[in-house]
Amino acid sequence: GENVEQHPSTLSVQEGDSAVIKCTYSDSASNYFPWYKQELGKRPQLIIDIRSNVGEKKDQRIAVTLNKTAKHFSLHITETQPEDSAVYFCAASNGRTGNQFYFGTGTSLTVIP
Amino acid sequence: ETGVTQTPRHLVMGMTNKKSLKCEQHLGHNAMYWYKQSAKKPLELMFVYNFKEQTENNSVPSRFSPECPNSSHLFLHLHTLQPEDSALYLCASSPALTGTGPLARYTFGSGTRLTVV
Repeated sequence: GENVEQHPSTLSVQEGDSAVIKCTYSDSASNYFPWYKQELGKRPQLIIDIRSNVGEKKDQRIAVTLNKTAKHFSLHITETQPEDSAVYFCAASNGRTGNQFYFGTGTSLTVIP
Repeated sequence: ETGVTQTPRHLVMGMTNKKSLKCEQHLGHNAMYWYKQSAKKPLELMFVYNFKEQTENNSVPSRFSPECPNSSHLFLHLHTLQPEDSALYLCASSPALTGTGPLARYTFGSGTRLTVV
């Protein structure tokens, strides 16, 4: 099966700086990579996703890049704000095995005002 | 609200109790899922239902018993749990079971925080 590794497990940045979270995956058949944000005590929410036919996708201050050859994808948050503080999860899916997502272990991001 | 509602939000139960978790979605989604979220571990898929038919049981112990009476409701029946079953149990739904992009996007519920004593 798929194995998704996520780094770092914790990340602290100053407000206004950028944050980068990286995930690697093992199954070359994986073709869909969502990122979820989970604030303390709240449900995970999809913030951005990318399909394998695209190398990069941006949505305002958030971007995701995908390197299929190296089998890794990264979340980039620019101009971080305190409300970006949360746990971020990456996931990978090949869309074939019952839509099962394989999740990373999460990154706890703290933005220091 | 999110469109996926879970009740109760918190549950404390003894190891000999029987309780049920409920999940409800009114998004018109056809697939529903139970996930277990434990500290410092990836989200663990437990069960998958598609059009109220179970399509996946991820080697979950029989003390967890799912029920999906229709495509809008999902239950997780619990009995004789162990302390290590304490976790956040998340329900999710998606428009379809297979495919990528919008069809695969999950909407999560807020979860039930379960403590087994």
